[in-house]
Order: sequence, then C-alpha cells, then structure tokens
Amino acid sequence: EVQLVQSGAEVKKPGESLKISCKASEYTFTTYWIAWVRQMPGKGLEWMAMIFPGNSETRYSPSFQGQVTISADKSISTAFLQWSSLKASDTAMYYCARPSHGYFSDAFDIWGQGTMVSVSS
Amino acid sequence: EIVLTQSPGSLSLSAGERATLSCRASQSISSNYLAWYQQKPGQAPRLLIYDASRRATGIPDRFSGSGSGTDFTLTISRLEPEDFAVYYCHQYDNSFSTFGPGTKVDI
Repeated sequence: EVQLVQSGAEVKKPGESLKISCKASEYTFTTYWIAWVRQMPGKGLEWMAMIFPGNSETRYSPSFQGQVTISADKSISTAFLQWSSLKASDTAMYYCARPSHGYFSDAFDIWGQGTMVSVSS
Repeated sequence: EIVLTQSPGSLSLSAGERATLSCRASQSISSNYLAWYQQKPGQAPRLLIYDASRRATGIPDRFSGSGSGTDFTLTISRLEPEDFAVYYCHQYDNSFSTFGPGTKVDI
C-alpha cells in the first residue's frame, strides 16, 4: 500500500529548531513531487512548498519562502520540513502529500497522517 | 497568486438532500487544474475530484465536479451521514498551489 508516514507530535519553545519527516513507501520516491501543507488550529489548508526528490528541485509559496526549508533523502525515501527558529505562530498541523501522477501541477491523492507542532514558552 | 473563494462558508442540510458548493478563482485556471477534498475532524484531507470533474479512485458517484475557467462546483447529489465535513478546493495551475478557505457542510 502506498503511504506517507510522518514523525510524531512535537512540543517546542520559541527560538528552537525543528525538523519533521515524512517517510514514503511502496512507490518510487524519486519520481514523485512531495508537498507540505500547513493547517493552523481551526483553520484551512495552506500550500507551503514542494520538492522533487529525484533532483532536489524545490518550490516555495511566497508566504513560506525563507521561513522553512524542505529537503529529501533519497536513500531513506524521506522528505523533511525544518525550521531554524520557531515562533508561536508556527503552531499547526503539518501534512505531507503526494501528487497522484507525480507531477508538480497535480492533485494530492496520498496524504500523511499529519505532524502536530506546538510552540509555546 | 491565484486566490480561491468558496461559498457558502457553511451549509446546513439533511441527509438525502443535495449539496452544491462553489469555488471561484481570481483568474482563469488553465487545463481545469482544480481539485476538491473532504476533511473530517482529526483526519487528513481526502481527494474527491481532480481536473475539475474526474472522480478519484474509490469516490462514490454521488460526488461530481464541474466548471471551467474561474467558476467550479462540487455537487453531492444525496447527502449521506458520512458526508458531513469540510470541503476544500485546490488549484494546481500556477507556479504554486493554493487552497480555498473551505465550506463546512453540517446538519
């Protein structure tokens, strides 16, 4: 079964760094883009960024450019989302998602279960 | 950036009724690169419709999508109890994707 399994919930303090993961299985990781989507508490979905693990090409939403970094490790079929200095406003559920046909311009048919990130002093 | 607006913001209906949800884009979406997702509390979104009108694998035929250009519609022909959820539209035409704010369908 094709799936994306994300790392567990995190509780952090403002200013701390964090890297969360999304492990892919049962498909060729290097031939599909992977997206990261934010959902703040009680709010809607926000497209953050995407990465193509085959060549590490990345694209960011202007709203998230410079705020987060996405990466991928082909050897372990895992994508990452990281922050160098968290803010309270980063508190949210973060989903990774895979486009159904692998393309950048594509709908997302496979979603991870989400990683809840809580940032509070 | 393509901004998506969904209406209504919420919809109160009963099981068996028809639901019509609208998604309007701030500029034309080429190739009908518009999807619809369903999200229930505590769950990840689920793809219902892609390319404006194609049902995703395993989606019941009571869900249908239509539209082109800037105006798109998701129709649920006869609401089942499990259909009460939040529905999001998503455009993937531009250099980066955007989602609409969602329509909540409740009883």
